Amino acid sequence: EVVLTQSPATLSLSPGERAALSCRASQGISSNLAWFQQKTGQAPRLLIYDASNRATGIPARFSGSGSGTDFTFTISSLEPEDFAVYYCQQRINWPPTFGQGTKLEIK
Amino acid sequence: QVQLVQSGAEVKKPGASVKVSCKASGYTFSGHAMHWVRQAPGQRLEWMGWINAGYGNTRYSQKFQDRVTITRDTSASTAYMALSSLTSDDTAVYYCARLGTGYYDLWGQGTLVIVSS
Repeated sequence: EVVLTQSPATLSLSPGERAALSCRASQGISSNLAWFQQKTGQAPRLLIYDASNRATGIPARFSGSGSGTDFTFTISSLEPEDFAVYYCQQRINWPPTFGQGTKLEIK
Repeated sequence: QVQLVQSGAEVKKPGASVKVSCKASGYTFSGHAMHWVRQAPGQRLEWMGWINAGYGNTRYSQKFQDRVTITRDTSASTAYMALSSLTSDDTAVYYCARLGTGYYDLWGQGTLVIVSS
């Protein structure tokens, strides 16, 4: 199975700053990667699919890039509601797998 | 309103079984696959299996192959996930998730299952 490794584990930033999160796959997955946001006590929410496409209703400050084994998720200017845990997920290799998450916390 | 509503929290003893429901509304239930994902405390999300809500065929993770059964009732627009031979390691929040255009675009609110003697 494909192992997804996210870094950093925790990222401490202030509102207005730019956040960049990494997801590395143990083998190539082309662009078959999604990013989810999860707030405490809530279900994950799809933000980005196919590595770089924003899901319906997702603000333009969220973006994704990469292909193959290295992917980046970026929030251009952090809003207070963006502080949460972010997961990457691959779908091309069975079974679907998720990264261990990056916690984005307020500095 | 497009949503998935899951059944409530469960407390089970080791060795018991649990069955979680996931009721869909606001879209054509049989037109989308339904997947089940769990999240144990402090752990990453873990895929368990899925069902083709139209035809009813299923596929399970090897890890849960012997213990999980996913079914659906199209007349009730509801999917079910049953897990048997529970241990404390099965304590987790269980989610149903709709497969949209290849990705999980709609999630249930989660069902907490606690396994404790």
